[in-house]
Amino acid sequence: DAKTTQPPSMDCAEGRAANLPCNHSTISGNEYVYWYRQIHSQGPQYIIHGLKNNETNEMASLIITEDRKSSTLILPHATLRDTAVYYCIVDSGGSNYKLTFGKGTLLTVNP
Amino acid sequence: NAGVTQTPKFRILKIGQSMTLQCTQDMNHNYMYWYRQDPGMGLKLIYYSVGAGITDKGEVPNGYNVSRSTTEDFPLRLELAAPSQTSVYFCASIDSYEQYFGPGTRLTVT
Repeated sequence: DAKTTQPPSMDCAEGRAANLPCNHSTISGNEYVYWYRQIHSQGPQYIIHGLKNNETNEMASLIITEDRKSSTLILPHATLRDTAVYYCIVDSGGSNYKLTFGKGTLLTVNP
Repeated sequence: NAGVTQTPKFRILKIGQSMTLQCTQDMNHNYMYWYRQDPGMGLKLIYYSVGAGITDKGEVPNGYNVSRSTTEDFPLRLELAAPSQTSVYFCASIDSYEQYFGPGTRLTVT
């Protein structure tokens, strides 16, 4: 599975958009980009995933560059409850689905 | 649905003791996973299973054993506990693309 690179920490003001970058320059053509988050030692929570196209759900938007070497997770209106570690993971899914969690990005949303 | 449940929530073991961490899911998922998370680190995969009777090693399987006799249950066995196994253990199952995690078991070996 491809490796990802994320900044160790970021800050965001409450109510503003949080943009979390992820570099995955060695991603393969069949690998998806997944985002999970972990709030204060709870089990990780799925946020969103995508292959090529940008994706949006009720939690966030995922923007994947055309060459697929990087992506950005966008939380449109961050709240204090969004303070968490955010993990960007690439995986081919299917029978080989074995998520590899790095250290992620600690997003701190400030009042 | 209760989702993924884990017991116990907390446990303190003495060096050399054994225990089983329980994991149950009620979503009829075939794929199940065990991870450990050390302080300040990401999750590391210990073992996983693609269905009843089928298990395979992950990144850090040494010191652990698993079995999968039913779709619902995926227990993790620690034999001869060591201080290096002090960690938080998460069980997870997957539905096509979304992994569902349990609340974790916080284990201390002293």
